[in-house]
Amino acid sequence: RKEVEQDPGPFNVPEGATVAFNCTYSNSASQSFFWYRQDCRKEPKLLMSVYSSGNEDGRFTAQLNRASQYISLLIRDSKLSDSATYLCVVNRNDYKLSFGAGTTVTVRA
Amino acid sequence: NAGVTQTPKFQVLKTGQSMTLQCAQDMNHEYMSWYRQDPGMGLRLIHYSVGAGITDQGEVPNGYNVSRSTTEDFPLRLLSAAPSQTSVYFCASSYTNGANVLTFGAGSRLTVL
Repeated sequence: RKEVEQDPGPFNVPEGATVAFNCTYSNSASQSFFWYRQDCRKEPKLLMSVYSSGNEDGRFTAQLNRASQYISLLIRDSKLSDSATYLCVVNRNDYKLSFGAGTTVTVRA
Repeated sequence: NAGVTQTPKFQVLKTGQSMTLQCAQDMNHEYMSWYRQDPGMGLRLIHYSVGAGITDQGEVPNGYNVSRSTTEDFPLRLLSAAPSQTSVYFCASSYTNGANVLTFGAGSRLTVL
């Protein structure tokens, strides 16, 4: 079983829509959680960290559910510029981060 | 700030050739790492370093060597390239053990024929 699993999508949504997707992780000892964004043929960049209490950054909301071992990302009022692959990253604090394969979101005009 | 600089951006090798991917960061980050990214798979950790003189293996270390003689540089060596090593390679760094934010280089696309 992969340590971090994501629905690859693609999620095709119109501008202005809300899109949400999850990421599950297998190691209950995981300590830190992140969402990274990766544009086509570019390097990943941090979108946001995910805190136990959940957190919001503008149109983006991240949630952590430790009991069920998943994190989620919700994008409100989608923009064309939100089209990207979103990578779920989990850290057990042992110097080895685990990356999901990514969820692709395409926002159409 | 340059951040994390990787060279070369593109490389084509023949099977059996060796080469070094260069990675340099100017942020005084202690932690540096190398990942490979293949279609349909998440980034996989090859090797990492928590400081000068210290390196360790990641998930997929076979066929690769690293060294960390300075804080700034973390080269990745392919000893005898194989077609299975065709991939996009990313170098990333952070202040501590990766619990902090990773800063990635722009990537190196390697094709092994």
